[in-house]
This record gives sequence, C-alpha cells and structure tokens, in this order.
Amino acid sequence: KAGVTQTPRYLIKTRGQQVTLSCSPISGHRSVSWYQQTPGQGLQFLFEYFSETQRNKGNFPGRFSGRQFSNSRSEMNVSTLELGDSALYLCASSLGTSGSRSPDTQYFGPGTRLTVL
Amino acid sequence: AQSVTQLGSHVSVSEGALVLLRCNYSSSVPPYLFWYVQYPNQGLQLLLKYTSAATLVKGINGFEAEFKKSETSFHLTKPSAHMSDAAEYFCAVSRETALIFGKGTTLSVSS
Repeated sequence: KAGVTQTPRYLIKTRGQQVTLSCSPISGHRSVSWYQQTPGQGLQFLFEYFSETQRNKGNFPGRFSGRQFSNSRSEMNVSTLELGDSALYLCASSLGTSGSRSPDTQYFGPGTRLTVL
Repeated sequence: AQSVTQLGSHVSVSEGALVLLRCNYSSSVPPYLFWYVQYPNQGLQLLLKYTSAATLVKGINGFEAEFKKSETSFHLTKPSAHMSDAAEYFCAVSRETALIFGKGTTLSVSS
C-alpha cells in the first residue's frame, strides 16, 4: 500500500504571498491531520479533516486553513506568509473512525519544507 | 489538558549500550501514548503505542516502553543500541483526534 504523499517537498516563498500544500492519504484512510514542525515550537497540531469536514483544530491564526476533498485528499493554505511560517509541514492520515476512545494510528508523510524569505 | 514532557533534549550512547529515552505525561484521564521516530529529512514513523491493553508495549526495531501510572511515565528503551538508531524521538499523547508532542530527544550513537 502506498504511504502518505505530500507535494511539493520543498517550497520557497516571500513574505505576504500565499501557499497551498497538498496531501494524499493512504488508500482507505478518511482522516487527514496537519502539523507544523519548527525548531523553536516543535511539533504542533494545526487541524484535522474527516469526511470533508474540519473535526478538530489547533491554536493557529485564521491565515492557516485547509480543506478535504471527496477522495480524502487534503490541501492546506497559508495566506499572507510571515517569516515565522517557515517550517516543515507534516500531513498524517488515519482511518479516522475510532474516535478518542482508542485513537487510530496516524501515518505521516515526508513533509513539505516551506521557507519564507 | 493532556501533555507530555521529554527529559533530555540530547542523549548519547555507545553502540551496544542500553538506550533509555524519558517521557512523562500529564493527563486527567487514562492517556493514549505514542513514541515516534524521525530520521533526517523524513516524516515521523510510529515505534509503538499504549492503549491500556498492556503496560509493557513492544514496538518495532527492538524498542519497548513501559507505562507506569504511579510515576506518570512512558519511557522508551532498547537493550542494545545500533548505529541506525540515531534519530530524533518524540513522545506524544492523544487529545481527541490530535497528537500532542513532546519537544523531542535526539539520540546519538557512537561506535
């Protein structure tokens, strides 16, 4: 089974621009979560989508948004980029059906490294 | 709210030595705990997870972790380190459908 794929792998943008990152989950997985990884803040949860609906959200400003399509693929958008948005953005997929009682394993993609100049 | 703390941002061992990476959790409810590993320029790979079925959890690549409620700990161990174990290790706790990660511990293995 193919793993989680993320495109592009590397991206360079300038302040004020916007960017869209893409994530294709493992076949059969309906939940997609996004995380930001920086040296200073570590790994932080952005949001999770399940069946095209945002089901959970972390503590990030509204400039960070996402969506999920009917085939479970997901995109993340960051508008009005700031220098501090430079990070590795990781996508993870899971079956998404077990809820919080016994959480599904999340499988991570290789990430998209975003550099904001 | 659930959280985890990893003690020691950097651990160095010799090849063949015991690996011990520390993680303490804070949770008002029985937690679900995970250990992930990240190799350079790669995503995260699950090593093992605790879901209350057994306190000693065995994972991949010879790693295991023991859940100790009295100590609120979930330390990761491996009896004999290999050069290929050099990586960054993250402890995490689930909060609804999100994973809340510790700051990570970088493991160095010398020959």
